[in-house]
Amino acid sequence: DSGVTQTPKHLITATGQRVTLRCSPRSGDLSVYWYQQSLDQGLQFLIQYYNGEERAKGNILERFSAQQFPDLHSELNLSSLELGDSALYFCASSLSGNEQFFGPGTRLTVL
Amino acid sequence: EDQVTQSPEALRLQEGESSSLNCSYTVSGLRGLFWYRQDPGKGPEFLFTLYSAGEEKEKERLKATLTKKESFLHITAPKPEDSATYLCAVQAMRSYKYIFGTGTRLKVLA
Repeated sequence: DSGVTQTPKHLITATGQRVTLRCSPRSGDLSVYWYQQSLDQGLQFLIQYYNGEERAKGNILERFSAQQFPDLHSELNLSSLELGDSALYFCASSLSGNEQFFGPGTRLTVL
Repeated sequence: EDQVTQSPEALRLQEGESSSLNCSYTVSGLRGLFWYRQDPGKGPEFLFTLYSAGEEKEKERLKATLTKKESFLHITAPKPEDSATYLCAVQAMRSYKYIFGTGTRLKVLA
């Protein structure tokens, strides 16, 4: 158990819909990272927040947005969902950035 | 363009048969190179961070090394429980972005 929690574990929705994925980092970690993992593209870095501020941005689509709240938990919002958005979404947290602790992931299925 | 390439894609070893996994990278300034292990259906688990060429780190049967263009993960006398996908990632200096390779799927046979 990494200490990072993600909810929900599974999510099934339809094209065009909007969903919110939630992540609680390990106690004391200030950074939160979001990743998308699909079979054909591997692990893709989406975005990083550090203590509430956006620190780095990867291949995150404009339909996706994230934020980190004052209690340091984070949410990833995915809108206008497409079939290709079906994937495992991981959240990770770290204190220093040297070592990331990954959560168990949310499996999103878009039908 | 920042890029990470891992080879081989898959590797089957007999228990006790040592080998190496390769991670070649191109990045505009290396902030750090990371190795992770991922079991099916689970999140990646951190193994090592390397920062500069010539650096080496060891943990049990694993040893990671770094040059200016690539990193190796050496597995000595592997056991079946070492079976997993091993991921390499780099963090770019200026953008702080993380770029992951597609991984090496390792299977160790008893």
